[in-house]
Amino acid sequence: EAGVAQSPRYKIIEKRQSVAFWCNPISGHATLYWYQQILGQGPKLLIQFQNNGVVDDSQLPKDRFSAERLKGVDSTLKIQPAKLEDSAVYLCASSLGQGIYNEQFFGPGTRLTVL
Amino acid sequence: AQTVTQSQPEMSVQEAETVTLSCTYDTSESDYYLFWYKQPPSRQMILVIRQEAYKQQNATENRFSVNFQKAAKSFSLKISDSQLGDAAMYFCAYRSYNTDKLIFGTGTRLQVFP
Repeated sequence: EAGVAQSPRYKIIEKRQSVAFWCNPISGHATLYWYQQILGQGPKLLIQFQNNGVVDDSQLPKDRFSAERLKGVDSTLKIQPAKLEDSAVYLCASSLGQGIYNEQFFGPGTRLTVL
Repeated sequence: AQTVTQSQPEMSVQEAETVTLSCTYDTSESDYYLFWYKQPPSRQMILVIRQEAYKQQNATENRFSVNFQKAAKSFSLKISDSQLGDAAMYFCAYRSYNTDKLIFGTGTRLQVFP
């Protein structure tokens, strides 16, 4: 079974530029998560989708971050404009559904460096 | 709000020995779940072990076991017979009963020496 795919793996941009990350969850997984992992910290949930609807985006900085999951499969996370403090690894995870018995499977992450 | 604290930034262990990673958490909830995740260098984060707060019995998965002390809000991970492949960042995480959001600690980097 293929895992969660993310691209690109690495991205370097200058502040105030825009950037987008892509995630392809495990086939059949209805729930998709985006986490931000700043160096030296644990991952922090940015947004959770159930199919193409948003379940939780309480920690998403909506003035600059946006995410969508069209057709309930792939998802993109966008930052516009980027700030220095956005440098982090962005992890995508997916699960079969909501609830404790649905394990979250993580992708390899996209490492973003903002100069 | 719930918080998770891992006070050991780095730990090391010799191959075949046992090591214990510490985790404490703060919550006012009575129903919740606790997890240990492993993040190898440049590889995906994977679930190591899970504990339901309502279960008194400590969870075990092969060489990995936990010591769950609900009253003390402590959740340590014991790795027995350590192997070189156990070298990774280990994250403790908390999840409320009625949400899917994982709240992670800052992680412990485990080194395993031959």
